[in-house]
Amino acid sequence: AQSVTQPDIHITVSEGASLELRCNYSYGATPYLFWYVQSPGQGLQLLLKYFSGDTLVQGIKGFEAEFKRSQSSFNLRKPSVHWSDAAEYFCAVGAPAGNKLTFGGGTRVLVKP
Amino acid sequence: KAGVTQTPRYLIKTRGQQVTLSCSPISGHRSVSWYQQTPGQGLQFLFEYFSETQRNKGNFPGRFSGRQFSNSRSEMNVSTLELGDSALYLCASSLGTGTSPEAFFGQGTRLTVV
Repeated sequence: AQSVTQPDIHITVSEGASLELRCNYSYGATPYLFWYVQSPGQGLQLLLKYFSGDTLVQGIKGFEAEFKRSQSSFNLRKPSVHWSDAAEYFCAVGAPAGNKLTFGGGTRVLVKP
Repeated sequence: KAGVTQTPRYLIKTRGQQVTLSCSPISGHRSVSWYQQTPGQGLQFLFEYFSETQRNKGNFPGRFSGRQFSNSRSEMNVSTLELGDSALYLCASSLGTGTSPEAFFGQGTRLTVV
């Protein structure tokens, strides 16, 4: 069975500092990996995705993620955080066929001025 | 193009009642999935419909059901509501093919059971 672990429940970062959110997955084959962001009371917005090819993928809002098969990880990074990045971030894994995602527990990011 | 639309945004129901939630996917998307989000359990997959057929199903009781229409719009029904059904219900649409499996979410329907 597939699973996703986000080890950090909360992260506090100063505005302008770098941010890295960890994600580890368990999946039998090559996974489809995603990062989503959710503001309070809102739906999920897709930040970026990895299917194959280059293991460093770029997304929206200046985010990037690196797929490391040997570590079963797909960590999200941003070089300089803005106050508007305060939100909850979810890592997810999906199968090639079907619209079925397994999510991690999420990481809530607080940005200090 | 228009995104995923969920209606209503908010609902308050009484225990024992039933409720129907609606989801209109992005134009051209044939797959609709439903998720339940709660503080305790996080985001959990309910089921997926593709071309009017249920293609995947999560681990929820039979009180949770869904359907998809020929225009890809989907409805989710919960019967005999329990307090624990209070949650944000999210709908996601995708093309549903292996070449482009990314899912796009609606704003959700906040269901409160009292």
